[in-house]
Amino acid sequence: DAKTTQPPSMDCAEGRAANLPCNHSTISGNEYVYWYRQIHSQGPQYIIHGLKNNETNEMASLIITEDRKSSTLILPHATLRDTAVYYCIVRATIQGAQKLVFGQGTRLTINP
Amino acid sequence: KAGVTQTPRYLIKTRGQQVTLSCSPISGHRSVSWYQQTPGQGLQFLFEYFSETQRNKGNFPGRFSGRQFSNSRSEMNVSTLELGDSALYLCASSLDYQETQYFGPGTRLLVL
Repeated sequence: DAKTTQPPSMDCAEGRAANLPCNHSTISGNEYVYWYRQIHSQGPQYIIHGLKNNETNEMASLIITEDRKSSTLILPHATLRDTAVYYCIVRATIQGAQKLVFGQGTRLTINP
Repeated sequence: KAGVTQTPRYLIKTRGQQVTLSCSPISGHRSVSWYQQTPGQGLQFLFEYFSETQRNKGNFPGRFSGRQFSNSRSEMNVSTLELGDSALYLCASSLDYQETQYFGPGTRLLVL
C-alpha cells in the first residue's frame, strides 16, 4: 500500500482558503488519491478524488503534482463546519478487491 | 437517495457476549466494506463483500465475521467480545468494488 504523510494539525481563519497538503511519494501509476473528512466521530464523508488531473467539485478542489508524489486539498472558503479530521488516502486494490488505508489525517480547525 | 444506514447506532455489551451489526448500503450499491475505528489504532479495514462473497479480509481474529445477503445488505458479527472490541464500527458501500466508498454513521459498541 502506498503510504501518505499529512501534517497532524492545521488552523485556518473562517472565510479563507484552507490548503491541506498530502505526500504520497510511493504512489503507483494506477492508484487514485482520495480525500475524506470525519466530523466528531461521525462516518467519514467523501470529498473528492483524482488520478492525474486537478479536480473540482462543489466541496473542494484537488491539486495533484505532475509527478503525482503529492497533492493539496483546497477548501476555497472555509466555514466553522469544515472543522474536522481530513484523511488523504491512496486507494489500494489487492486481488481485485479494494480497501481504504487510513492514516492519522490532519485535524483542521477553522477559527472565527 | 438514502445514504448508508447502520443499526443499531449504539450498543452496550459485556465481555464474552456476541454482537451482530447491520448495514444497509445505498440503493444499487453491491459492495460493502466494514471498518473498525478506535482511538489507538485509528480506522482499520475489516472485510469487504461483493455479490455475497467476501473479497478481502483485514488482519483481525476469526471472532470477527461477516456476510452479505442477496439484497446487498450486510451484517458483521463479533463473538466472545473483549474489552478491546469497544469501537466505532463503520460500514461503507460502493457501486462496485472499484468505485468510491460512502460511509454510514457507524455503530458505537461499548464492551464492559
